[in-house]
Amino acid sequence: AQKITQTQPGMFVQEKEAVTLDCTYDTSDQSYGLFWYKQPSSGEMIFLIYQGSYDEQNATEGRYSLNFQKARKSANLVISASQLGDSAMYFCAMTSNFGNEKLTFGTGTRLTIIP
Amino acid sequence: SAVISQKPSRDICQRGTSLTIQCQVDSQVTMMFWYRQQPGQSLTLIATANQGSEATYESGFVIDKFPISRPNLTFSTLTVSNMSPEDSSIYLCSVGAFMGAFFGQGTRLTVV
Repeated sequence: AQKITQTQPGMFVQEKEAVTLDCTYDTSDQSYGLFWYKQPSSGEMIFLIYQGSYDEQNATEGRYSLNFQKARKSANLVISASQLGDSAMYFCAMTSNFGNEKLTFGTGTRLTIIP
Repeated sequence: SAVISQKPSRDICQRGTSLTIQCQVDSQVTMMFWYRQQPGQSLTLIATANQGSEATYESGFVIDKFPISRPNLTFSTLTVSNMSPEDSSIYLCSVGAFMGAFFGQGTRLTVV
């Protein structure tokens, strides 16, 4: 079984600053995928970024980057130059192995960007 | 990426009734997933829906309460049966992808 831990229930960040959202995971699988999703107040789940367990480079997507430290089993999301529209819930998730595409989610971090 | 249309987007239902949520995908997919998000909580997988076979339910979820249909490779429905206030949640359908799962807009259900 896999487990995702997000230890920051809420964060407040000044606009234009960078922010790091923490995520640690536990799995016995050698092959797995890690994901971050954004959930605004509307409730939709927006896919942000993906990291495969065998990827040597950290994933980046625009202002989002994933700081993947495999030995520490961490997959932190870094948002550069935060914007007011970044205020939302953020969920870290993982799949246990490729081909089994169901996701296990962490408890989430509520990010609030302060003007 | 896949485009997923889910409806209704929200509903208010009386206890004891049932609601069927529909999920339409713009491409053929093997597996579709149904998640529940209770107020203030994270997402929990209800079941995996494969075309042509019975859905696979996660621990704590049963077919009588959450029957699922998967008539073809682009469509699925989830029914929430005999609803109680504890069923008030956001329900989301999802399709898996090798490097990212995509979600419908969600159905915000309130049971009164």
